[in-house]
Amino acid sequence: EDQVTQSPEALRLQEGESSSLNCSYTVSGLRGLFWYRQDPGKGPEFLFTLYSAGEEKEKERLKATLTKKESFLHITAPKPEDSATYLCAVQARNQGAQKLVFGQGTRLTINP
Amino acid sequence: DTEVTQTPKHLVMGMTNKKSLKCEQHMGHRAMYWYKQKAKKPPELMFVYSYEKLSINESVPSRFSPECPNSSLLNLHLHALQPEDSALYLCASSHVTSYNEQFFGPGTRLTVL
Repeated sequence: EDQVTQSPEALRLQEGESSSLNCSYTVSGLRGLFWYRQDPGKGPEFLFTLYSAGEEKEKERLKATLTKKESFLHITAPKPEDSATYLCAVQARNQGAQKLVFGQGTRLTINP
Repeated sequence: DTEVTQTPKHLVMGMTNKKSLKCEQHMGHRAMYWYKQKAKKPPELMFVYSYEKLSINESVPSRFSPECPNSSLLNLHLHALQPEDSALYLCASSHVTSYNEQFFGPGTRLTVL
């Protein structure tokens, strides 16, 4: 069964304190791995797509990386506005192209 | 236009009411989705339309009835809902082909009394 596990469940950082969020996945063939940011009461905002091991994508203070078993979302010198829930989702080859398997998310809080 | 819009933002309805949620996108996407999200949980897929035809129904109760009138619009008709159906309902869209990210709307917060 396809599975996505995110850790930690929640993370509190001070402003400027860099860290990483983890997304471990077990799928029978990876089509793609997606990172989203979700603010309370709002829809997920697309951040990155990663397709193959070794791939990296960057956007402002965020950098996503992918290995054969996990993905990391690195946050460098975060600001309070980076506080949100970060969701990881995978698209598996044995599922339809439209089905995503989501992790439970990591709730990130950046204190000023 | 890279936006998915949803109306209304908030909806309160009784268990005997009939209401509809609406979703619109103008990104040329031919796949559209309905998700349900409970607090502190990830989105849960309900329905997928590909080329305006229902392609996935995740065993959703019949009190939820989706409709895709054209390639830009998606509706979710609600009837005889239960209090446990209260949630954030999200619409998303994407290209139909593989390897395509889904773009989500802001959601409709539904409360069933």
